[in-house]
Amino acid sequence: AQSVTQLGSHVSVSEGALVLLRCNYSSSVPPYLFWYVQYPNQGLQLLLKYTSAATLVKGINGFEAEFKKSETSFHLTKPSAHMSDAAEYFCAVTLSGGYNKLIFGAGTRLAVHP
Amino acid sequence: DTAVSQTPKYLVTQMGNDKSIKCEQNLGHDTMYWYKQDSKKFLKIMFSYNNKELIINETVPNRFSPKSPDKAHLNLHINSLELGDSAVYFCASSHQGRGNTEAFFGQGTRLTVV
Repeated sequence: AQSVTQLGSHVSVSEGALVLLRCNYSSSVPPYLFWYVQYPNQGLQLLLKYTSAATLVKGINGFEAEFKKSETSFHLTKPSAHMSDAAEYFCAVTLSGGYNKLIFGAGTRLAVHP
Repeated sequence: DTAVSQTPKYLVTQMGNDKSIKCEQNLGHDTMYWYKQDSKKFLKIMFSYNNKELIINETVPNRFSPKSPDKAHLNLHINSLELGDSAVYFCASSHQGRGNTEAFFGQGTRLTVV
């Protein structure tokens, strides 16, 4: 069965600092991996996805993530945090060949302070 | 021009009532979903329809009944509402794909049962 673990339910960084949000997955078959962002009182928006092409994936708003099969990880990074990055971030996995059923991690709330 | 729209955005109702949430997408997708986000922000899939056919039916009380009149619409009817049904319900849509296609989410419907 697939599962996703996000380490750290809350992450706080200073504006301009590196953002690192951790995601580890468990899957018996090659996974597809996604990062979604949720701003307060809004729906989820896709940041980026890994679908077995390049292992380093670039997304919107300056975010990127690297798929590391040996570590079963798909950590999200951004070199320099902006105040507008404050939101809830969700890592998710789907089963290759499945019905796009997203299995979400518990989420990480990112706070950015001046 | 909203891609995935849900109505209503907020719904407050008493225990025991029956209520419906409507969802429409104008993206031309053939697959639609209902996800539930609980008070701890945890997201879990409930149902998915592909071309009006139910393809995912998670362990959800049978008080919840989805209906898809056409591939652009997916409604959720809830009978005999309980306090524990209070949550944010998200509709989403995507191309069917093989697990690798992006899901687009609506803004959510915040259901409060009192």
